[in-house]
Amino acid sequence: SQTIHQWPATLVQPVGSPLSLECTVEGTSNPNLYWYRQAAGRGLQLLFYSVGIGQISSEVPQNLSASRPQDRQFILSSKKLLLSDSGFYLCAWSRTLSTDTQYFGPGTRLTVL
Amino acid sequence: QQQVKQSPQSLIVQKGGISIINCAYENTAFDYFPWYQQFPGKGPALLIAIRPDVSEKKEGRFTISFNKSAKQFSLHIMDSQPGDSATYFCAASISGTYKYIFGTGTRLKVLA
Repeated sequence: SQTIHQWPATLVQPVGSPLSLECTVEGTSNPNLYWYRQAAGRGLQLLFYSVGIGQISSEVPQNLSASRPQDRQFILSSKKLLLSDSGFYLCAWSRTLSTDTQYFGPGTRLTVL
Repeated sequence: QQQVKQSPQSLIVQKGGISIINCAYENTAFDYFPWYQQFPGKGPALLIAIRPDVSEKKEGRFTISFNKSAKQFSLHIMDSQPGDSATYFCAASISGTYKYIFGTGTRLKVLA
């Protein structure tokens, strides 16, 4: 069976500090990978998606970036965090060549102070 | 045209009652409509999904009703239980586009 991991689970960072959130998927090969942000009481906003190693598509212009250094690893980064970057960050995956069902990870709660 | 409008924003139901959450869309190219359930502090989990070629899909106490002509779909939770208390999101996607359009969510509270 497939499993998706995210860490850290929670993170408190000062404004202007860097960020690195990691997501890994087990039990599948060449998944599509996604990063979402969920603001408090809001819906899910797609930030990035990737269909393969080194292939990243950005949905929303911002000070965040994503990388996929390995097949089942997806990293969300920032060089300098803003207060507005606070939120719940979710990684998701779907099967290769399929854009249907997306499976979400447990999420990372980021608070920028 | 890419929006999915979800209502109500919040819903309170008595135990044993029926919870109904509605979503509407404009883009007729959407061909996959999943519903997700999210508990506080957790990631969303797929609950049930439907394609436009059927008008209804049932899994246990959860049913999706789909009205293609009205461009609406809804989630019905029969015999609602306190354990169903969560936030529910509808979504829509076009196969091959790698992108879900999510509704804004409905916070459901089932009273014991």
